[in-house]
Amino acid sequence: DAKTTQPNSMESNEEEPVHLPCNHSTISGTDYIHWYRQLPSQGPEYVIHGLTSNVNNRMASMAIAEDRKSSTLILHRATLRDAAVYYCILGWAAGNKLTFGGGTRVLVKP
Amino acid sequence: ETGVTQSPTHLIKTRGQQVTLRCSSQSGHNTVSWYQQALGQGPQFIFQYYREEENGRGNFPPRFSGLQFPNYSSELNVNALELDDSALYLCASTKGGTYNEQFFGPGTRLTVL
Repeated sequence: DAKTTQPNSMESNEEEPVHLPCNHSTISGTDYIHWYRQLPSQGPEYVIHGLTSNVNNRMASMAIAEDRKSSTLILHRATLRDAAVYYCILGWAAGNKLTFGGGTRVLVKP
Repeated sequence: ETGVTQSPTHLIKTRGQQVTLRCSSQSGHNTVSWYQQALGQGPQFIFQYYREEENGRGNFPPRFSGLQFPNYSSELNVNALELDDSALYLCASTKGGTYNEQFFGPGTRLTVL
């Protein structure tokens, strides 16, 4: 499985944007980029996924580099509820087996 | 719409015992995956069931086994428990095969003494 590299932790202030980087230099042409997050004491939840183009949904946006070797998850206005561990995962389908790494722990300060 | 539910919430067993964990999929979801999450780490894929058949397995020994029932609920069985099996066990369901996102339950916390 292709691997991803994420910072261990990031801090943000409430109502400010958060940019979470993910490096995946060995990504294959068929790998989608998926983001899940895990709030404290809960199971992971799906955030967003994409293949080549930047994508947006009600939770977040994802910017994908032109060479697809990196991506950035963007939370436009962080709230206290966004404090979680964010996982960047590669895979051919969102419902296929997910290979989680260590993720980025996001702390949101009021 | 009812989400993914798991039972029990917590469980304590002793080394060598057997355990069965249960998962009810979200309505309309026919694919179930199981993950093990050790403290401080990301979840690790155990296996996946699609329409009652195993559809992929991670790097776990045969003493980890599963079942999926006609109503798409699922069980994870672990035999000959070891101390390292202490973890949070997560179940995730998916609608319509593997293309769509997975919906996770809250997990079962297993402690092996």
